[in-house]
Amino acid sequence: AQSVTQLGSHVSVSEGALVLLRCNYSSSVPPYLFWYVQYPNQGLQLLLKYTTGATLVKGINGFEAEFKKSETSFHLTKPSAHMSDAAEYFCAVSRPMVQGAQKLVFGQGTRLTINP
Amino acid sequence: DAGVTQSPTHLIKTRGQQVTLRCSPKSGHDTVSWYQQALGQGPQFIFQYYEEEERQRGNFPDRFSGHQFPNYSSELNVNALLLGDSALYLCASSAQGDSNQPQHFGDGTRLSIL
Repeated sequence: AQSVTQLGSHVSVSEGALVLLRCNYSSSVPPYLFWYVQYPNQGLQLLLKYTTGATLVKGINGFEAEFKKSETSFHLTKPSAHMSDAAEYFCAVSRPMVQGAQKLVFGQGTRLTINP
Repeated sequence: DAGVTQSPTHLIKTRGQQVTLRCSPKSGHDTVSWYQQALGQGPQFIFQYYEEEERQRGNFPDRFSGHQFPNYSSELNVNALLLGDSALYLCASSAQGDSNQPQHFGDGTRLSIL
């Protein structure tokens, strides 16, 4: 079975400061990993994904994440926070598939607050 | 190019009633997955449809059922509604032939049970 743990249900940073959202996963097979963002009253928008290859993944809006197999982690970072980054962030894991998309297993989410 | 569309956006029902939620996948996508997101929680996988058949199922009771139509759109049906079924129901679509492509999500249907 796969699982995701997001450390910290709430994270608060100042505008311009580093954003670090933590995600650890458990998987019996090499995983696919994702970060999604959810703004109020909206669905999920993909920030970035890791499937294979380069372990440092760059996404939209200046976010990036690094897959560390030895630490079973996939932490999300952004060098400088912007007010528009305030949202709920979800880390998710899935099994690789030859074809099609496997189900996503999500963490509990981290609410990011940006202080002016 | 329209993304994933869901209807209705909001719905209020009472305990014991039945509800049907609808989803149209993104153009070019043929696989539809449904997720339940309770307040303050991450989404949980309900089931996935491909070629009009349920291909995978999460840990949800038989009260939750679905259907996929030849045009790839999908419905989620929930019978005998319980208070605990109150949640945001998210639909996600993907293409069977693109295993590296992520699922695209709609904005969801907010279901409230009174």
